[in-house]
Amino acid sequence: DTAVSQTPKYLVTQMGNDKSIKCEQNLGHDTMYWYKQDSKKFLKIMFSYNNKELIINETVPNRFSPKSPDKAHLNLHINSLELGDSAVYFCASSYRTSGLWEQYFGPGTRLTVT
Amino acid sequence: AQSVTQLDSHVSVSEGTPVLLRCNYSSSYSPSLFWYVQHPNKGLQLLLKYTSAATLVKGINGFEAEFKKSETSFHLTKPSAHMSDAAEYFCVVTLFSGGYNKLIFGAGTRLAVHP
Repeated sequence: DTAVSQTPKYLVTQMGNDKSIKCEQNLGHDTMYWYKQDSKKFLKIMFSYNNKELIINETVPNRFSPKSPDKAHLNLHINSLELGDSAVYFCASSYRTSGLWEQYFGPGTRLTVT
Repeated sequence: AQSVTQLDSHVSVSEGTPVLLRCNYSSSYSPSLFWYVQHPNKGLQLLLKYTSAATLVKGINGFEAEFKKSETSFHLTKPSAHMSDAAEYFCVVTLFSGGYNKLIFGAGTRLAVHP
């Protein structure tokens, strides 16, 4: 049973294209996140949704648009892809009100923009 | 502002010897701290967490960490390294802002374990 799953695992595309990454969690959590890990392994939060409502939006280009159809899903759509978007994108989920702030991560999606 | 500094980008140990991965934090309030591990081409897994209970925290796979407020440290240790411990380790602090928590990651420490 995969707790947090992402598709696809690998994504290779050309500059200027539009692509989406999907995330699903079956943990019953009410909060989901997207993180970007760069080539130096540095992890930074991009977005967070709580019960389908955007609660965290870091300084991310508006080419990136998260969409949460329900609290178990948080998809990431990227328009006009650029070389600098190449990274590993991680989805995560947690209970907002658990008090422990523990997040569960998906396996990651490696995006390569050529 | 909340931040973490992992003092070593790479640590190399021999199998069976102790592991020490260092982390210092900065926090304007009592923090929650975590250690996450990332094995090659895998997602992140929680090793252990400190949330203002016991200062010595035990995690999975024999790892533990000690919260030292006076030193603003949260170093990760293991008495005896195993080959399977080779991975990237991240020290993490929470930032509470606008009613929500964000995780602030350190830059990571790559642990290599040699036979």
